[in-house]
Amino acid sequence: SQLAEENLWALSVHEGESVTVNCSYKTSITALQWYRQKSGEGPAQLILIRSNEREKRNGRLRATLDTSSQSSSLSITATRCEDTAVYFCAVYDSGYNKLTFGKGTVLLVSP
Amino acid sequence: GGIITQTPKFLIGQEGQKLTLKCQQNFNHDTMYWYRQDSGKGLRLIYYSITENDLQKGDLSEGYDASREKKSSFSLTVTSAQKNEMAVFLCASSMDRGNTGQLYFGEGSKLTVL
Repeated sequence: SQLAEENLWALSVHEGESVTVNCSYKTSITALQWYRQKSGEGPAQLILIRSNEREKRNGRLRATLDTSSQSSSLSITATRCEDTAVYFCAVYDSGYNKLTFGKGTVLLVSP
Repeated sequence: GGIITQTPKFLIGQEGQKLTLKCQQNFNHDTMYWYRQDSGKGLRLIYYSITENDLQKGDLSEGYDASREKKSSFSLTVTSAQKNEMAVFLCASSMDRGNTGQLYFGEGSKLTVL
């Protein structure tokens, strides 16, 4: 089973709306990372939130982390068409010394 | 800033062929990775390397070889391409092992096997 998993395969919103992508994970973590992958590009990190943090912001992006429920969310406010991408959460598996990615949530922002 | 350069961007091969993908980074990062991305399956780690001449197997190492002859480069070889295989191979690097650090990715190499 997946060590980290986003809860939805795809989302569609209109430009200007807000949207939230959720992620659950199954291991003890020191940090959780959110990445975005636009078409034809490699993933790029958006936010890293450490286990002692509950919330982290980066412009229109806001990530939350709840270690008791082993879940995280990434919210985007005032979405733009250029936010269309696949969004991944990723956690470090200390037992295997590797960063494990979820399968990703496809976000489509339409005009 | 730095950049990860993957070559080739597109690779078409035939069943049974040995195919090699190359990756260069100028971040001066210690750790480099090769991930495979299939539609609907996210990113799966094939190999990673924490320093020059080091190799560590990931979840999907069977059918692949890797080589880290220089700190700045990491190559991946598909030892025998499978018919109808289609995937994107992503190279990445990080200052540490990725547990609290950021991975920087290349744009990917798309493999198609006829």
